[in-house]
Order: sequence, then C-alpha cells, then structure tokens
Amino acid sequence: EAQVTQNPRYLITVTGKKLTVTCSQNMNHEYMSWYRQDPGLGLRQIYYSMNVEVTDKGDVPEGYKVSRKEKRNFPLILESPSPNQTSLYFCASSLSPGTANSPLHFGNGTRLTVT
Amino acid sequence: GIQVEQSPPDLILQEGANSTLRCNFSDSVNNLQWFHQNPWGQLINLFYIPSGTKQNGRLSATTVATERYSLLYISSSQTTDSGVYFCAAPTGTASKLTFGTGTRLQVTL
Repeated sequence: EAQVTQNPRYLITVTGKKLTVTCSQNMNHEYMSWYRQDPGLGLRQIYYSMNVEVTDKGDVPEGYKVSRKEKRNFPLILESPSPNQTSLYFCASSLSPGTANSPLHFGNGTRLTVT
Repeated sequence: GIQVEQSPPDLILQEGANSTLRCNFSDSVNNLQWFHQNPWGQLINLFYIPSGTKQNGRLSATTVATERYSLLYISSSQTTDSGVYFCAAPTGTASKLTFGTGTRLQVTL
C-alpha cells in the first residue's frame, strides 16, 4: 500500500531532550516536507527536500533539523525541544512539485508535547 | 506570497444535505489541492485540480484558474464527511503549498 509512515504517533518529552520523528514513504517520491499544525495558525512548513541531499528551510525552521540521505526517509530532528514546539507534526511527500498530477500525501501525524 | 482564503469557516449540515465550499487564491496557480482532515487528525488528499472539474463519488471539485477560485461540492453528506476541509496552492517555485484556514464541517443525524 502506498503510504507515508511517521513515528511515533504520540510523544511526550521534556525540555532539552533531543528527539527524532521518523518519516518514510514507499512511493519513490522526490519531494518530502514537514509541516506543523497549531490552532489559529494553520499548517506551516518547517523544511522541505526536493531530492536526496537537497533540503531547504520553510516558513518556521528555527529549532529543527532535517536530513535526506535516502530518497524514502526524511527525519525531523529537534536538538533541544522547547515547550513552544508542542504541536501536531505532519510529514508529506509528492512526486515532484510543479509537475503535473503531483498530489501531496500526508503521514498520520505526530502529536508532540514538550513539558 | 500567495493568499488562500476559504469560506465559510464553519458549516453545520444535516445528513443528506448538499454543500459547496469555496477557495479563493490571490495569484495564478498551476495546481490546487483539496484535503480533508478527519476528526482523528488525518489529512487525506481529495483532489489535485489545477483547472476543470473532477468527481470522486459524492465529492466533486471545480477550479476556475482564470478567476482564481475553486469549489468543493459535497452531495448527500454523511457523518463521516465531518472534519476540516483545506485547499492549498503552491507558492513561488512550488516547493511549498500555502494552505487556507479551512472550513470546519459538522454533519449531524
């Protein structure tokens, strides 16, 4: 089944404790992206990757890191989480933005709480 | 960047009713997507529709790119249609989708 898989679904952690949210897609998509969703602020892009070893900042990259060593994986790293990073996070992928018929597919989300 | 506005912000329907959700965007786009976020938080892609009309079961979407709007039609609504509907359009180089603020739909029995 074609899908974007995020783990974990739920995560509670403490300030300053490094964490990684994994994201994997099995559709051979070139493009992958991370979003966070907050009440009143909607969906905002954190980072994106157009292909392997190519990553770039989105609208709200501060406090996050990403890597794209393989096409299928795009982990989100919080080196020193803070309470303002409490949010619902989504990983997404598509064939290649800007090309015809390239819908964006989302993972099921990771609800992160930083205390 | 592009502005994406959706209306109405909230909608309550009785099961079986029809509805139309609207998405206006400020610039020309080469794709427009509709998503449904269900009550469990999952975001599902409904349509990739840069122009014209597409149908998928009880749902259909129309984008009039020259007039910078898109419509999502829900016919014979069911309680499982509840959730938030987002439209999204690409910004600049299309490396980012800008999402509207959504229409929250509640379908009651």
